Amino acid sequence: AQSVAQPEDQVNVAEGNPLTVKCTYSVSGNPYLFWYVQYPNRGLQFLLKYITGDNLVKGSYGFEAEFNKSQTSFHLKKPSALVSDSALYFCAVRAPTQRGSTLGRLYFGRGTQLTVWP
Amino acid sequence: DAGVTQSPTHLIKTRGQHVTLRCSPISGHKSVSWYQQVLGQGPQFIFQYYEKEERGRGNFPDRFSARQFPNYSSELNVNALLLGDSALYLCASSPTGLPATGELFFGEGSRLTVL
Repeated sequence: AQSVAQPEDQVNVAEGNPLTVKCTYSVSGNPYLFWYVQYPNRGLQFLLKYITGDNLVKGSYGFEAEFNKSQTSFHLKKPSALVSDSALYFCAVRAPTQRGSTLGRLYFGRGTQLTVWP
Repeated sequence: DAGVTQSPTHLIKTRGQHVTLRCSPISGHKSVSWYQQVLGQGPQFIFQYYEKEERGRGNFPDRFSARQFPNYSSELNVNALLLGDSALYLCASSPTGLPATGELFFGEGSRLTVL
């Protein structure tokens, strides 16, 4: 079965400091991994994804994520946090073995609330 | 270009009532998925429709049903509402022939409160 764990409910960081939001996954086979961000009372916005290739993936708004197969992790990072980065972040996984058109099914973590203070 | 649009944005129902939520995918997208997001949790998969056929169903009771129309818009129906159905319902679309590597595009959701 596929699953995602985000071990931290909340991450607090000062503006200008680097940030990390952690994610570990469990999936059969090679995973397809995604990060989404959700602002208050809004839907989810796609940030980045890992499919194959370079373990360091760059995405929107200066975010990047590092895929580590041995640790089954896909941590989200940003070198310098902004107050506007404060939001709820979700890690998600999709198993490559999904057949047919059941390609929409993502398994999400519980989310990590990121707060960046001035 | 318009993104995924959902209606209504907010609604309040009482236990036992029925609700219909609507979703219009991004133009050209033929797959629509529905997710339930309970406060404090990540989104949970309910349904996926592709070319007007159900292609996947999550672990939800039969009170939940959905359909996709010829124009690829979709409706999610929930009967006999329970307090626990209170949640943000998210619709997501994806393009035709999207491989498993593609991302989903989400709407802003319909927030349902059941009293």
